[in-house]
Amino acid sequence: NAGVMQNPRHLVRRRGQEARLRCSPMKGHSHVYWYRQLPEEGLKFMVYLQKENIIDESGMPKERFSAEFPKEGPSILRIQQVVRGDSAAYFCASSRTGTGAGDEQFFGPGTRLTVL
Amino acid sequence: QQQVKQSPQSLIVQKGGIPIINCAYENTAFDYFPWYQQFPGKGPALLIAIRPDVSEKKEGRFTISFNKSAKQFSLHIMDSQPGDSATYFCAASVRGGATNKLIFGTGTLLAVQP
Repeated sequence: NAGVMQNPRHLVRRRGQEARLRCSPMKGHSHVYWYRQLPEEGLKFMVYLQKENIIDESGMPKERFSAEFPKEGPSILRIQQVVRGDSAAYFCASSRTGTGAGDEQFFGPGTRLTVL
Repeated sequence: QQQVKQSPQSLIVQKGGIPIINCAYENTAFDYFPWYQQFPGKGPALLIAIRPDVSEKKEGRFTISFNKSAKQFSLHIMDSQPGDSATYFCAASVRGGATNKLIFGTGTLLAVQP
C-alpha cells in the first residue's frame, strides 16, 4: 500500500543544467499535482495533470518549466537551465478523482533541489 | 482573492494545552478546507478537512471550527503533545471547479513543550 513516491529525494544541479523530478501517484490515483515550497514559505501550486492531459498550469513559470504525466510511467516535472532561485522543495500530490468524493490530495516526501 | 491568510506564524504551548491556528479567506467560491501537518524533511500529511455545510468537525484530538459568514476557519488541537510539534498548513480549494488546486496558507510552526 505504497503512498506517493518521489525521486530523487535530493538533487543537486549546477546553474544551467536540467533537473528532472519524478512522481508516482498512489495506486488507483490518476490525478497528479505539483507544488513548490520555498524555504520558510508555504506551498505554491504549480500544475495539475490527469493522465496525458494538463488540466491547470496556472502556477507554472512561463519559461524553463514543463510537466507531463504519460499514459505509462511517472509524472515528470522538468526544469531546464536551472537558476539559484529554483532551489526549493518540490512536492507531488495525487488524488483518485478531480472533484467530489476521492479528491483529497495525498503528498509525497518531496524532492529537495539545490542549485549551485 | 485567491489568498488564504494564516496566523499565528509560530506558537508555543505547554503539553496538554490547546493551540489554536486561524485561517481566513476571501474567495467565497472556496468550498473545501483541509489542514495538513508537516514534519521537517517530510511531505505534508492530510490531518482533517471540512466543507462549509457544517460548522465543526472533530477527528480524534483535532477539531476544525468553520465560520462561513466571517470566512474564517480554525484548527484546535486538544491535549497537545510534544509529538504534535510540526508545521501546520491550512488550505482551500473549489470542489467541482475546473481545477482541484489547493491554495495554502503560509504555515504555523507549533512547538509543544513537555
